[in-house]
Amino acid sequence: EAQVTQNPRYLITVTGKKLTVTCSQNMNHEYMSWYRQDPGLGLRQIYYSMNVEVTDKGDVPEGYKVSRKEKRNFPLILESPSPNQTSLYFCASSWTGADEQYFGPGTRLTVT
Amino acid sequence: GESVGLHLPTLSVQEGDNSIINCAYSNSASDYFIWYKQESGKGPQFIIDIRSNMDKRQGQRVTVLLNKTVKHLSLQIAATQPGDSAVYFCASSRASMNTGFQKLVFGTGTRLLVSP
Repeated sequence: EAQVTQNPRYLITVTGKKLTVTCSQNMNHEYMSWYRQDPGLGLRQIYYSMNVEVTDKGDVPEGYKVSRKEKRNFPLILESPSPNQTSLYFCASSWTGADEQYFGPGTRLTVT
Repeated sequence: GESVGLHLPTLSVQEGDNSIINCAYSNSASDYFIWYKQESGKGPQFIIDIRSNMDKRQGQRVTVLLNKTVKHLSLQIAATQPGDSAVYFCASSRASMNTGFQKLVFGTGTRLLVSP
């Protein structure tokens, strides 16, 4: 089954404690992306990647890092999380970015 | 900055009615547009898309209309059903000036409420 998986689904952490949210897709897609979703603000793109070792900033990249060492994986790293990063995070993948993106189930992160 | 906005945060309709959800975008360089449906507790799901060389595209019970002159996009759902209740997002895509890669900009979403 074609899917995008994210882990963990829920995470509560404290300010400053480094964390990683994993994302994996099994469709051999070139394009992967991270979004955050906040009430009233819709989905905002954090980072995206067009291929292995090729990444670029989205609209809200501050406080986040990504890496794309393998085609199927695109982890999101918060080196020093802060409460304003409390949000619902989605990973997505597609062939080009200008086509149907498949979204993961989401990761709800709370930073206290 | 670039923006994509929906006209109504909430739309309430009766089962069987036709629904129209509207969206406006600001960047005339946008060349690809897409609608997603998000049910509670789930990730967005693709509904339909359209490229800038078209002004209308139809799917099963859904139609997307694109008016590039006024930078307006709409999603029409025929014979709306209770299962259509969800939040609907429009998004526009354009190539990044820095990298040439595609960037998607999402609207804030319209919640569709369908009553029996």
